[in-house]
Amino acid sequence: AQKITQTQPGMFVQEKEAVTLDCTYDTSDPSYGLFWYKQPSSGEMIFLIYQGSYDQQNATEGRYSLNFQKARKSANLVISASQLGDSAMYFCAMRGHNAGNMLTFGGGTRLMVKP
Amino acid sequence: SQTIHQWPATLVQPVGSPLSLECTVEGTSNPNLYWYRQAAGRGLQLLFYSVGIGQISSEVPQNLSASRPQDRQFILSSKKLLLSDSGFYLCAWTPGNEQFFGPGTRLTVL
Repeated sequence: AQKITQTQPGMFVQEKEAVTLDCTYDTSDPSYGLFWYKQPSSGEMIFLIYQGSYDQQNATEGRYSLNFQKARKSANLVISASQLGDSAMYFCAMRGHNAGNMLTFGGGTRLMVKP
Repeated sequence: SQTIHQWPATLVQPVGSPLSLECTVEGTSNPNLYWYRQAAGRGLQLLFYSVGIGQISSEVPQNLSASRPQDRQFILSSKKLLLSDSGFYLCAWTPGNEQFFGPGTRLTVL
């Protein structure tokens, strides 16, 4: 069974500063993928970044980067230069080696950016 | 480009009434399709997934069912809604590594 844990229910960050959202996972699959999604108040789930378990380098997408520490089973999201529009729920998710490519989600972290 | 649609956007239904939520995908063929539910303030729970027409896998036993009558259409149904069925229902599809979500349907059962 797979499990995703996000231990920060809520986070504050000052505008223009960087913030790290924590995510730890547990799986017995040798091959897996890790995802981060942003969910603003409108409800849509916006794909941010993907990291494969065998990727040699940490994934980056613009202001988003994934701090992947395989031995520690952590996949923290780093948002640089926070903007007011970054205020939202953030979900970490994992896909293991399964036929349907299903995702297992964490409970989410609510990020609030202060002006 | 690929697009995923869901309707209706919002729905208010009485307990015991039937339900039909529709999801369609454009710009791709034979996608894997998924139905998730999100309770208020919670993460997403996978309900059903489908790897092809007529192929449905259920992850959580409940009074909901799913069907895939066409390659790019995925339907979530119920014969009799419960109060606990209230939530935000999201359809998703995957072209490969990523999984993309539709805009969602917010269901309130009264």
